[in-house]
Amino acid sequence: QSALTQPASVSGSPGQSITISCTGTSSDVGSYNLVSWYQQHPGKAPKLMIYEVSKRPSGVSNRFSGSKSGNTASLTISGLQAEDEADYYCCSYAGSSTYVVFGGGTKLTVL
Amino acid sequence: QLQLQESGPGLVKPSETLSLTCTVSGGSISSSSYYWGWIRQPPGEGLEWFGSIHYSGSTYYNPSLKSRITISVDTSKNQFSLKLSSVTAADTAVYYCARHGVADGNWFDPWGQGTLVTVSS
Repeated sequence: QSALTQPASVSGSPGQSITISCTGTSSDVGSYNLVSWYQQHPGKAPKLMIYEVSKRPSGVSNRFSGSKSGNTASLTISGLQAEDEADYYCCSYAGSSTYVVFGGGTKLTVL
Repeated sequence: QLQLQESGPGLVKPSETLSLTCTVSGGSISSSSYYWGWIRQPPGEGLEWFGSIHYSGSTYYNPSLKSRITISVDTSKNQFSLKLSSVTAADTAVYYCARHGVADGNWFDPWGQGTLVTVSS
């Protein structure tokens, strides 16, 4: 059982927007603005898409955005494209005892 | 361009020790700004962080795995390594290494391509 809770799957049509939630606790997501998001295509390594809740690394499309409210972080993908179909994982710092926790992952299907 | 590459046996027997090495190229592992981490992914499952090491030797370990893990660094070879003892079939997974940004957040980038380790007799 993963420390952070994500929906198993979400779907959307090309051009639409979707949001993936990542629910933690006051010991991780709720206490630190240190949430990152990763995209993983089948058979490939994960790719960093968002860090520090809402910052985008160089080269990542501005269609990807992140936010946080309380113990829940969210990843929003706007203007869905076929290439966005992948698994998405959230990750949070969880304090000086646990350090790093991941979500269970969400499969995004572009209809 | 920083690149990471995992290497090690693809098959390990139950109760033995799994050993993997990550070689960093295109940059120095001796950067004070970063740690270097190991993450695994069992087939069809999610990601699990093992631990991270700084070039100075400072380490952070997943507390649920800490008793079985050793992560070390060899700055002369620009490598860091993972040892996981007393493996079982549940340790079968793709193992990834990645640069771990700690000073300015909590992120992993880039990642190695991953290596599948199967635990079986």
